[in-house]
Amino acid sequence: DTAVSQTPKYLVTQMGNDKSIKCEQNLGHDTMYWYKQDSKKFLKIMFSYNNKELIINETVPNRFSPKSPDKAHLNLHINSLELGDSAVYFCASSQARGFYNSPLHFGNGTRLTVT
Amino acid sequence: AQTVTQSQPEMSVQEAETVTLSCTYDTSESDYYLFWYKQPPSRQMILVIRQEAYKQQNATENRFSVNFQKAAKSFSLKISDSQLGDAAMYFCAYRSGNYGQNFVFGPGTRLSVLP
Repeated sequence: DTAVSQTPKYLVTQMGNDKSIKCEQNLGHDTMYWYKQDSKKFLKIMFSYNNKELIINETVPNRFSPKSPDKAHLNLHINSLELGDSAVYFCASSQARGFYNSPLHFGNGTRLTVT
Repeated sequence: AQTVTQSQPEMSVQEAETVTLSCTYDTSESDYYLFWYKQPPSRQMILVIRQEAYKQQNATENRFSVNFQKAAKSFSLKISDSQLGDAAMYFCAYRSGNYGQNFVFGPGTRLSVLP
C-alpha cells in the first residue's frame, strides 16, 4: 500500500499552460505539505495544510494554488506556467498536534518540465 | 527562523569504510526534533534516522548513528560499513516542538561510495 501517492510522476508542458498535481495519503495524518526541490536539490516548503486549513503559505507566486478537499488529499494547481517553475514537487504528510517526532512521509515527487 | 547548514556539499567514502556527514542548525528553542533523510537517484525521500532533542542518548538504526551535541547545535550522521547502495543525497531536517508544522531542510550532502 502506497502511503503518500502523487500523480503524475512526470509532467512536461509548455509555457503559459495550466496544470495540476494530485496527492493523497492513507496514513491518517492531519498535516500535508508541498515542497519544491530545485535543480540544486534544495528543498523549500511551499504550503502546508492541517485538517484542510492552510497553515503555511510561503512566498510563492499566486499562480500556485493549493486545495485540500479533506485531510487525506492535497492538490496543487499551477496557472500560466513559466520556465522557472521547472522543478521536482514533493507532496508529504506528517502528524502534528502532539506528535512532533513524527517524520515527514514523502510521495515520489512530480518532475515538472516547462518548455 | 530556524536554519539548517550542511557544510559538505560532497563527500566520498570507500566501500566498507565509515563516513560522517555534518549538520548544524540555528534555533532558540529547547524542544525540537531532528531527522536525516536519504535521496537516492530514484529521487525517493527516505527517512534514515530521527532524534528528539530532549533525549541525551544518540539514536542508532543499524549501520546509521548520530552524534547529537545539543549545546553545539550539531547533528552529524555516521554511516558504518558503507555500501554501494548508500550513495545518495543526504538531507538534515529540523522540526520545532512548538506547534512544529514546518520541517526545515539543509542544502544536502551528496555521498559517493567508491568500490
